[in-house]
Amino acid sequence: RKEVEQDPGPFNVPEGATVAFNCTYSNSASQSFFWYRQDCRKEPKLLMSVYSSGNEDGRFTAQLNRASQYISLLIRDSKLSDSATYLCVVNSGTYKYIFGTGTRLKVLA
Amino acid sequence: EAGVAQSPRYKIIEKRQSVAFWCNPISGHATLYWYQQILGQGPKLLIQFQNNGVVDDSQLPKDRFSAERLKGVDSTLKIQPAKLEDSAVYLCASSRDRGGYGEQFFGPGTRLTVL
Repeated sequence: RKEVEQDPGPFNVPEGATVAFNCTYSNSASQSFFWYRQDCRKEPKLLMSVYSSGNEDGRFTAQLNRASQYISLLIRDSKLSDSATYLCVVNSGTYKYIFGTGTRLKVLA
Repeated sequence: EAGVAQSPRYKIIEKRQSVAFWCNPISGHATLYWYQQILGQGPKLLIQFQNNGVVDDSQLPKDRFSAERLKGVDSTLKIQPAKLEDSAVYLCASSRDRGGYGEQFFGPGTRLTVL
């Protein structure tokens, strides 16, 4: 089983739609969780950290479920500019980050 | 503040040749990472430095890859000799903390094509 797993997609959604991605992780000792965004042929950039109580940043909501070992990202009112690959990142339980393969989102006009 | 700098941005070589990549992290960042990202996959950690010491190089193919971080600042990653399967984007990242807990900042990457 991979340490971090994501549905690669692509998710094709119309503008204005709500879309959710899940990411599962295998190491129950993992302590920090992130969502990064990667545009085509660009470097990854932090979208948001994921806190135990869940957190929201504008149209984006991230949640953590430790019991089931997954994190989620919800995007409301999708914009064309949200089209990108969303990378789930989990710390390995120590000092190392593990990246998922990424979920591709395409928002259609 | 200036971001993570990498050079070259693109490199095309033939198999069995050697290549080197350079990275300058954000000033004051203690931890530096080299990742390999193959098309359609997430970044895979090759090596992680804290200051000028190696924290993790468990996924570095040491028979052909080497890396160093002199004086705890700049870093170079070398491949010698290159294979076709080394074609990928090599990303350098840095973080303020010792790794695993805070934000990583990525450079633009070096796109390597091995023919």
